[in-house]
Amino acid sequence: DAGVTQSPTHLIKTRGQQVTLRCSPKSGHDTVSWYQQALGQGPQFIFQYYEEEERQRGNFPDRFSGHQFPNYSSELNVNALLLGDSALYLCASSPPGTGAEKLFFGSGTQLSVL
Amino acid sequence: GNSVTQMEGPVTLSEEAFLTINCTYTATGYPSLFWYVQYPGEGLQLLLKATKADDKGSNKGFEATYRKETTSFHLEKGSVQVSDSAVYFCALRSVLDYKLSFGAGTTVTVRA
Repeated sequence: DAGVTQSPTHLIKTRGQQVTLRCSPKSGHDTVSWYQQALGQGPQFIFQYYEEEERQRGNFPDRFSGHQFPNYSSELNVNALLLGDSALYLCASSPPGTGAEKLFFGSGTQLSVL
Repeated sequence: GNSVTQMEGPVTLSEEAFLTINCTYTATGYPSLFWYVQYPGEGLQLLLKATKADDKGSNKGFEATYRKETTSFHLEKGSVQVSDSAVYFCALRSVLDYKLSFGAGTTVTVRA
């Protein structure tokens, strides 16, 4: 049983570009959350998707957007990249009815903005 | 708003030593409390959790007790192994919230 898979594992972009990160949840999970983890910091909540809708959003600008597909996979899009967007982006999925009580994390996408 | 404060690292211990990582929190109501662990090259994994005051979470020899009076959830292990080397994160979830709020993480290195 595959866990949460994220792609790509590493990405290098330049300021002003746009990026799309992808996440496939663990089998049987219907909720996907995205977190940003800056170097030496704890993960910061970006948003959570459930039933293809954004259910809750953290304190991130509108440049950060997402999508959830009918198969529960998800994308995180970041427009107009800034140097400060360089971070590890983590996707987490959770089983039905558990919200954030049982999060299963992927290994992340390391984004570097030059 | 919610916040979690963890003991700063890094922490370096010898095998079989006692480990304590302090965690205190600020939240309204009665949050659920968690410890997550991040082993080198891997994603975050739930280590243990507690959902109400005086609950004790335990897993893999680690324990933490939800102390409402001191707003704390300190992680302890009586005898660490080299394989316990990792980054440990304390986190909370408020009632009716779908997000986790994490501390900054504590890096633990156990030497043989």
